[in-house]
Amino acid sequence: QQQVKQSPQSLIVQKGGISIINCAYENTAFDYFPWYQQFPGKGPALLIAIRPDVSEKKEGRFTISFNKSAKQFSLHIMDSQPGDSATYFCAAMTTDSWGKLQFGAGTQVVVTP
Amino acid sequence: EAGVTQSPTHLIKTRGQQATLRCSPISGHTSVYWYQQALGLGLQFLLWYDEGEERNRGNFPPRFSGRQFPNYSSELNVNALELEDSALYLCASSAWTAQPQHFGDGTRLSIL
Repeated sequence: QQQVKQSPQSLIVQKGGISIINCAYENTAFDYFPWYQQFPGKGPALLIAIRPDVSEKKEGRFTISFNKSAKQFSLHIMDSQPGDSATYFCAAMTTDSWGKLQFGAGTQVVVTP
Repeated sequence: EAGVTQSPTHLIKTRGQQATLRCSPISGHTSVYWYQQALGLGLQFLLWYDEGEERNRGNFPPRFSGRQFPNYSSELNVNALELEDSALYLCASSAWTAQPQHFGDGTRLSIL
């Protein structure tokens, strides 16, 4: 079963708008949560990552928000640009299963001009 | 700095054949990971190699195997290919355990 649930499956946002992607997990042993961006024909590229001792992390226009009690984390893309159109994956990993990233199903984001 | 490189880019095989996929990690990275990205199934963890040893394995049959060489490059072998093995196979590397994983662009394996 999918250990990381990601929503929505797809998202259309206007240029300049905010894209929000949500992920939820059950395994409280997860302690590393990265986000990846994937363009067609390319491998996933690491965008930003967070650990549970931090509630928010920002890198440029990308922000991760983390809610440990709700077992949820989200990616916000501020001032979305057409070049941000891609598939975004959240992921999680546990300390007792190093190397094994558990991925969400992915969100296809389309930013319209 | 060169990223993770994978070869070949595309590979076409028939059922029952064997496939070998290759991966060169980022210079200085000692851990190599393999993932399968199949349509409708998302990204699934296959194998993790570190310092030449298999450290972790996902829920895949034994006909999926691999190895890591002394120069930290790796190969993934898939025996007795089945139609459902058609997927993008991604390799990632990290500096050491628990460091961020960086992916290559994958090998597209098509089974006819």
